[in-house]
Amino acid sequence: DAKTTQPNSMESNEEEPVHLPCNHSTISGTDYIHWYRQLPSQGPEYVIHGLTSNVNNRMASLAIAEDRKSSTLILHRATLRDAAVYYCILRDNAGGTSYGKLTFGQGTILTVHP
Amino acid sequence: AAGVIQSPRHLIKEKRETATLKCYPIPRHDTVYWYQQGPGQDPQFLISFYEKMQSDKGSIPDRFSAQQFSDYHSELNMSSLELGDSALYFCASSPRSTGPGYGYTFGSGTRLTVV
Repeated sequence: DAKTTQPNSMESNEEEPVHLPCNHSTISGTDYIHWYRQLPSQGPEYVIHGLTSNVNNRMASLAIAEDRKSSTLILHRATLRDAAVYYCILRDNAGGTSYGKLTFGQGTILTVHP
Repeated sequence: AAGVIQSPRHLIKEKRETATLKCYPIPRHDTVYWYQQGPGQDPQFLISFYEKMQSDKGSIPDRFSAQQFSDYHSELNMSSLELGDSALYFCASSPRSTGPGYGYTFGSGTRLTVV
């Protein structure tokens, strides 16, 4: 599986934007970029995904570099409920036995200050 | 909206006992994934099923087995439990037919404590 690199931790103040970076220099042309987050003692929660173009949904925005070797998850106005571990994951589209498996690496612990 | 249901939420077992964890995917989701998350660790993929057949296998111990039934629910069977098996076990489901451009939905997990 292609690997992603994220900062161990980031901090933000409430109601400010947060930009969570992810490097994936070995991404293949068929990999989708997925973001999940996990609150303490809860299951991971899907946030957003993209392939080549920037994406927006009600939770966040995903900005994908033109060469696809990096991406940034953008929370437009952080709230205390956004404090979680954020995982950037590459999901293979190439078929085969690893089709669809999500491999979690070390995510970013986001702390939001009131 | 229906979510992924896992049962039980909490389970306490003694060493060398067996445990069975159940997962009920979202209706019309045909793929189920199991993950193990130890204290302070990231989720680790164990095994997945598509249309009742094992589709992928991760770091699942030989003491563990799993299957998916005709109604698409899945069970993770764990035997000869060890202290190190204490963890959160998550199940996730997705409709594989829509491809990898689709998010998983995770359940709330089963917290297994082995004493």
